[in-house]
Amino acid sequence: DGGITQSPKYLFRKEGQNVTLSCEQNLNHDAMYWYRQDPGQGLRLIYYSQIVNDFQKGDIAEGYSVSREKKESFPLTVTSAQKNPTAFYLCASSFGGGDWGQYFGPGTRLTVT
Amino acid sequence: AQTVTQSQPEMSVQEAETVTLSCTYDTSESDYYLFWYKQPPSRQMILVIRQEAYKQQNATENRFSVNFQKAAKSFSLKISDSQLGDAAMYFCAYRSATNYGGSQGNLIFGKGTKLSVKP
Repeated sequence: DGGITQSPKYLFRKEGQNVTLSCEQNLNHDAMYWYRQDPGQGLRLIYYSQIVNDFQKGDIAEGYSVSREKKESFPLTVTSAQKNPTAFYLCASSFGGGDWGQYFGPGTRLTVT
Repeated sequence: AQTVTQSQPEMSVQEAETVTLSCTYDTSESDYYLFWYKQPPSRQMILVIRQEAYKQQNATENRFSVNFQKAAKSFSLKISDSQLGDAAMYFCAYRSATNYGGSQGNLIFGKGTKLSVKP
């Protein structure tokens, strides 16, 4: 089955530690995206990548980093510089420019204490 | 910059009835796309319906339809014959059709409307 997978579903870390969230897609989509969702908020874009080995900052990139070494994979690292890392993180992908919308993974809930 | 506003934080509908969720947006562009996404308790975002701004005909997907008013910058979602499984957060999203530095595919989301369905 084609789709987007994110792992793990729940992740717990101690403050000061970096943590990497996984996102894999087998839809052969060109573009991939990372969003953050907080209670009562819509989705906010962290990073996006339209092709392999290239990515751009979104609206809230500070404290995050990404890589795009393979078309299928777009991991997100939440660094210790991110002041409020506890949130729900959603990965998405789209074919080409996204005329037909983005397709989302199931998300990862990150809790940092 | 474009913005998307959903003025109804919560809505409620009786099962089998019809409900309309509101969405307005602000843009100076003439070519763009609009989307409605559903986020059930599982929290996975599901694409419900899509509208192209240059098409006057309102999009329809089974029980879901939109009322797209381009001049008013309004994009409401109508759910007919509501079912218990329709209970979810619904997000309206905007996407420019113009490529600004590679950001063409990026979606701008409203804050969502929580829909409850009463049996």
